[in-house]
Amino acid sequence: EAGVTQSPTHLIKTRGQQATLRCSPISGHTSVYWYQQALGLGLQFLLWYDEGEERNRGNFPPRFSGRQFPNYSSELNVNALELEDSALYLCASSFGTGSQPQHFGDGTRLSIL
Amino acid sequence: DQQVKQNSPSLSVQEGRISILNCDYTNSMFDYFLWYKKYPAEGPTFLISISSIKDKNEDGRFTVFLNKSAKHLSLHIVPSQPGDSAVYFCAASEEGGSEKLVFGKGTKLTVNP
Repeated sequence: EAGVTQSPTHLIKTRGQQATLRCSPISGHTSVYWYQQALGLGLQFLLWYDEGEERNRGNFPPRFSGRQFPNYSSELNVNALELEDSALYLCASSFGTGSQPQHFGDGTRLSIL
Repeated sequence: DQQVKQNSPSLSVQEGRISILNCDYTNSMFDYFLWYKKYPAEGPTFLISISSIKDKNEDGRFTVFLNKSAKHLSLHIVPSQPGDSAVYFCAASEEGGSEKLVFGKGTKLTVNP
């Protein structure tokens, strides 16, 4: 069974640009979650998508947005990039709702110059 | 306000001995708890979980204990192996796991041969 896949592995941008990160969940999983891990900080919840709808978002500005496609894959978009957006962005998926663990991909390292 | 706390940044044990990793939480609404292991340059790997209706869950060498009155959980690894050397994250969620995960900052476990 293929795990959660994320692309690209690394992404380098400059301030003010826009970044798009992609995630494919485990086959059969309908929920996709996005987390940010900035240097020296723990994993911070960003967004949760389920069945194509945004279900919850963390304490991040509106320039962080995303969507979930009919095949349950997801995109995270970050507009007007700032230096502080440099971080590891992790995507996770889970099978439906209830007590189901989230399974993570290996992340996209976003660097802002 | 850190809702999930792992107060030991690091732990070193000898191969074959028991490793005990601890985690405290403050949010009484948490009802689902998980442990993840993370190697460098990889995403977190799910290890074991426990629902708040239980006080113990075992999976092979890994056992998680939950003390709801103390708002404390622990992960026991017996026997510890050098391949267990990694950063371990405790995570918690409300509403049975379908909501966002709140992570601790991790404990780096080193198992010495």
